[in-house]
Amino acid sequence: VQLVESGGGLVQPGKSLKLSCSASGFTFSSYGMHWIRQAPGKGLDWVAYISSSSGTVYADAVKGRFTISRDNAKNTLYLQLNSLKSEDTAIYYCARTLIDWGQGVMVTVSS
Amino acid sequence: DIVMTQTPLSLSVAIGQSASISCKSSQSLKYSDGKTYLNWVFQSPGQSPKRLIYQVSKLDSGVPDRFSGTGSETDFTLKISRVEAEDLGVYYCCQGSYSPFTFGSGTKLEIK
Repeated sequence: VQLVESGGGLVQPGKSLKLSCSASGFTFSSYGMHWIRQAPGKGLDWVAYISSSSGTVYADAVKGRFTISRDNAKNTLYLQLNSLKSEDTAIYYCARTLIDWGQGVMVTVSS
Repeated sequence: DIVMTQTPLSLSVAIGQSASISCKSSQSLKYSDGKTYLNWVFQSPGQSPKRLIYQVSKLDSGVPDRFSGTGSETDFTLKISRVEAEDLGVYYCCQGSYSPFTFGSGTKLEIK
């Protein structure tokens, strides 16, 4: 199993960013997938989940601003981050039903 | 949202000794299907997290049997018998019974 996140970077408050998570080594379409973040020096903070049938759930802190989606043909998970705030600064991990995690991608929101 | 409260925040344990971490949820984690979706996740320094235990007591593949999980309803415990150096890091409980998922604040295990 391999999960590789990309798309992070430095972005100004109020702007948008789209993260990707490329999956391999398992049948991607059969598994629910999570995005979980970790602010510098802090604990794990669950962000969003998408089921194998594309049902979605969000943390209150990101509801209405972030959108999780998946493309099973491309074995790829996405997280669209809109209206970014400084408190969204974190490493963002994708995870397969919490079993396997990617290496994470850093998102820094700062002017 | 369900609040997950872990204690202690940190503990220092000598190699070969045992360690115990408590996790309490603000409401019962027993789901309507009769299962309890309580996970334990471990993060070693500088590494990505990984799950150790799911549904309270089931060990993930490759996890040593020195690790064990117990509990029910709102009270859960992770026990590590015979602590080894590789066990240092932060342990999180995480509930998946009710949306949204929620993590505890973490317990940092140090080697004495």
